[in-house]
Amino acid sequence: NAGVTQTPKFQVLKTGQSMTLQCAQDMNHEYMSWYRQDPGMGLRLIHYSVGAGITDQGEVPNGYNVSRSTTEDFPLRLLSAAPSQTSVYFCASSYPGTGGFTEAFFGQGTRLTVV
Amino acid sequence: KQEVTQIPAALSVPEGENLVLNCSFTDSAIYNLQWFRQDPGKGLTSLLLIQSSQREQTSGRLNASLDKSSGRSTLYIAASQPGDSATYLCAVGSLIAAGNKLTFGGGTRVLVKP
Repeated sequence: NAGVTQTPKFQVLKTGQSMTLQCAQDMNHEYMSWYRQDPGMGLRLIHYSVGAGITDQGEVPNGYNVSRSTTEDFPLRLLSAAPSQTSVYFCASSYPGTGGFTEAFFGQGTRLTVV
Repeated sequence: KQEVTQIPAALSVPEGENLVLNCSFTDSAIYNLQWFRQDPGKGLTSLLLIQSSQREQTSGRLNASLDKSSGRSTLYIAASQPGDSATYLCAVGSLIAAGNKLTFGGGTRVLVKP
């Protein structure tokens, strides 16, 4: 039972490069989301998806793209990396059960440095 | 806009003492509230989830209460152990287009001294 798996765990990018952060869950959760964690700012929502083919913007979406072609995967794309995108990125999933949303499960994070 | 505050930012206690961690939020129209634990360099581990209709949840040595009217939640950890040392995060859930957006507090960093 892997839960939420993020790859890579660490990444260094040069300014202007693009990359995709991968996120996969094996719990058949409909709801997936991406957060970034920065010192003094806490965790902030970047993008989220309520099911395959449906995505929407969160609090800090600029510079990021997402897509959701399957229930299991929710990749986050950095279009042109900037030093301001240096952060720790977390993917999370949960399920809208009959009693309300289940607890959110988080991946181990991707630590990204943009130089 | 929902704002979540956790005070104190850091806490140090001797082993065996009970821990009391506070979380306050500005908008009482919440969907649920979740407490997480985060170890240095690691991801978030869910501890307890309280739905908006509930007043408390318990799991082992952990007990979390929720008072929506006053905008407060408290996490109690009984008989603390050095292994409880970590950062504890409170997250308030609100509905957004059938999704559940979590708004996080800044966390309380806990050190339990042997």
